[in-house]
Amino acid sequence: GQQVMQIPQYQHVQEGEDFTTYCNSSTTLSNIQWYKQRPGGHPVFLIQLVKSGEVKKQKRLTFQFGEAKKNSSLHITATQTTDVGTYFCAGNSGDYKLSFGAGTTVTVRA
Amino acid sequence: DAGVTQSPTHLIKTRGQHVTLRCSPISGHKSVSWYQQVLGQGPQFIFQYYEKEERGRGNFPDRFSARQFPNYSSELNVNALLLGDSALYLCASSPGGQTGELFFGEGSRLTVL
Repeated sequence: GQQVMQIPQYQHVQEGEDFTTYCNSSTTLSNIQWYKQRPGGHPVFLIQLVKSGEVKKQKRLTFQFGEAKKNSSLHITATQTTDVGTYFCAGNSGDYKLSFGAGTTVTVRA
Repeated sequence: DAGVTQSPTHLIKTRGQHVTLRCSPISGHKSVSWYQQVLGQGPQFIFQYYEKEERGRGNFPDRFSARQFPNYSSELNVNALLLGDSALYLCASSPGGQTGELFFGEGSRLTVL
């Protein structure tokens, strides 16, 4: 079945620095979504990418969907303490379910 | 507007017991999905219901069952609980049957002793 892998599992970032988390699928995706889960909270939708090569920005967050629609990345610039949490990518192959990666847990050093 | 509501928020059961978890979707949303999130992992798909019909089932044993009611609320039932069923059970709603943005509830944290 479809598998979605995320790296790195943990990201320790100095406040103000940039970082990138990567997502790879074993199969071609119809779309990919990104969610953020704060400690003790529930996943909250960030964005959905549908088109090959698509790039979307949300303030300091830049999301990219690969040309082959099998990988994606999330780049955060000038990391802030509010960015703390676990970021999940979730792939959809055109059916009824999302396959979530294991997530990248981000901690920030002030 | 109320978001997705789940009950109970926390519960403790013993092995072999059964549990029923409840979910009320956002008003107007006709699709409900259930996910299991074990500590340190991403959510794993269990079921999706749309317009009271099961649209899909993940790789979970028959001990797991669910249903959706005419008002679009949903129940997840787990029988013969195992220690490994300890997890956060998340309900998510969406407006339609296709997989777009999911709106998650706070979850029901189940501990099996």
